[in-house]
Amino acid sequence: KQEVTQIPAALSVPEGENLVLNCSFTDSAIYNLQWFRQDPGKGLTSLLLIQSSQREQTSGRLNASLDKSSGRSTLYIAASQPGDSATYLCAVRPWSNDMRFGAGTRLTVKP
Amino acid sequence: DAGITQSPRYKITETGRQVTLMCHQTWSHSYMFWYRQDLGHGLRLIYYSAAADITDKGEVPDGYVVSRSKTENFPLTLESATRSQTSVYFCASLGGDYGYTFGSGTRLTVV
Repeated sequence: KQEVTQIPAALSVPEGENLVLNCSFTDSAIYNLQWFRQDPGKGLTSLLLIQSSQREQTSGRLNASLDKSSGRSTLYIAASQPGDSATYLCAVRPWSNDMRFGAGTRLTVKP
Repeated sequence: DAGITQSPRYKITETGRQVTLMCHQTWSHSYMFWYRQDLGHGLRLIYYSAAADITDKGEVPDGYVVSRSKTENFPLTLESATRSQTSVYFCASLGGDYGYTFGSGTRLTVV
């Protein structure tokens, strides 16, 4: 059974700092990996999707990498802003269609 | 508007009552999913559907029933609500290589 772990569970940084969120998974046989953002009381917003054949994806200040062999993905946020404060969820899709989620990293960016 | 819509956004019901949560998508995606999100458990899959009239159990299906007579609709029914079913419920669809898209969620309270 695929297990997804996100470290750290919570992170607080000053505005402007570059930061990295980590995601690890136990089974490297994945179809893709997706990073989501969730604001308090809201739904999940997709940030980046990395196919199993890809190494990274970029969108604006966000960069996600994927290393299937080691079972790891990182989400890099450049020049963090208070508006980036949210919970970030990593989700792994195996070759079935049942996506497995990590518990998330709660990010606080202080002005 | 294109996307996934869930209704109602908030619902309070009494123990033992039947309640149905609605989910509608405009893309004609084949796969649709129901998740519940609870503190300490993260997102857990309740049921999913691969196409109209094809449904299957997820990780926590007990006490729930689903149907999918049309591709665009995937209602979730709690046959006899219990307090343990108090949760936030998210519907999602899978858009091929575009990954998962989530609805805004339904916050259900069973009293």
